[in-house]
Order: sequence, then structure tokens, then C-alpha cells
Amino acid sequence: QVQLKESGPGLVQPSQTLSLTCTVSGFSLTSYNVHWFRQPPGKGLEWMGRMRYNGDTSYNSALKSRLSISRDTSKNQVFLKMNSLQTDDTGTYYCTRDLGNYGSYFDYWGQGVMVTVSS
Amino acid sequence: DIVLTQSPALAVSLEQRATISCKTSQNVDNYGISYMHWYQQKPGQQPKLLIYEGSNLASGIPARFSGSGSGTDFTLTIDPVEADDIATYYCQQSKDYPLTFGSGTKLEIK
Repeated sequence: QVQLKESGPGLVQPSQTLSLTCTVSGFSLTSYNVHWFRQPPGKGLEWMGRMRYNGDTSYNSALKSRLSISRDTSKNQVFLKMNSLQTDDTGTYYCTRDLGNYGSYFDYWGQGVMVTVSS
Repeated sequence: DIVLTQSPALAVSLEQRATISCKTSQNVDNYGISYMHWYQQKPGQQPKLLIYEGSNLASGIPARFSGSGSGTDFTLTIDPVEADDIATYYCQQSKDYPLTFGSGTKLEIK
């Protein structure tokens, strides 16, 4: 069955780099796009960026200067790296599978990983 | 960026109809497809896809949920509301990048 699972550190110090891994199963990264979202505590959802099935990436312009998404198809993993973290980067980070053929919508979400930015 | 506007909260009685609206700052239709999608999120859980492309019911979602609308005005309807439907509901557009969400409507029971 389709599964996505995020992993990474729960605590990151301000100004440091966040590194998250999304490990997928039940589908191929060369057939589906995978996106990253985040959600600050008690707030709404923000799109961060995507890894397309062909290896192309795109990013939210608000984060683009700090964000990098890559993948290892042999390990079925998609990676997120974001530098210069601040306290307002605290939140739950999700990876998702994009089911859409035209526009993007998301049928499977990881359980999320809570990241706290604090010294 | 396309801005999606939702009311913060809605209170309804069990077994009644809930109507949740989402208004967009730009038309999110293109070539007959509405690039509007709806999700349910319960506390401590990830979002769940309910409706895609305006009115299509996602797999495994009960027919009590339905979506309608076009252009800049969209509605998610739950009829009848059950206790398990207590959650926050988000609309999402995929007409343009960056993908954006409404701020969510929290469904409460009267």
C-alpha cells in the first residue's frame, strides 16, 4: 500500500539547517510528483516545493533562497534541506503524493514530523 | 499568489447540513476543470483529501461529502453531519503556483 514517512530532527537551533527525509513505498518516485508542505502550530498549510517524477524541482518563491529538494530513487527517498532556520519555521512538515494529472492535489500524506526551532 | 478565503468556524447540529465556502482572489477554472480541492484535518492528524477538481469525491470518502462551484466561489457540503466530521476543513487551489490553501473552517457541533 502507498505510504510516505517523514524523518528528521525534532529540534533545530536558530540559523542552522533543517534536513528531512521522506521515505515512500507503494509507488515509484519516477511516476509521481512528491511535494513538501508545512504547518505552524495552530495555523494553516503552506506549500514549500515539489520534486517532479522526472527529477525537476520547483519551490515557493518565499522560501526559494533557503530551500533545496532532492531525491534518491534507488532508496525511494525525497530530501528537503532548508537553511537559516528561524523560530517561525517551527511546525509540522509533511511530504505528500500528488495524484493530479493537470492540477496538483494530494491523496496520500505522511504522518508529519514536528520541527521546533529553538536554542 | 491566489488568496483563498474561508470563514473561521461553522456550528451545525448533528444530522443537519453543513455548507463551507471558499472564495478565491482569481478564477481557478481552466478548460472546464476547477482546480479546487478540499481536505479534512483532525487534531494531530495529517490532512485527508475529500474532494478534487471541484466536485469529484476522493476514494473512500462517504457520499455525505460533496463539492460544488466554479470560477471564484466554491462550496463543500456535508449532509448529514455526523459527530466524526468534527474537524477543520481546508480548500486548496492548483490553478497557479505557489499552491495555496484557505485558512481553514473549523466545524463545530451546536
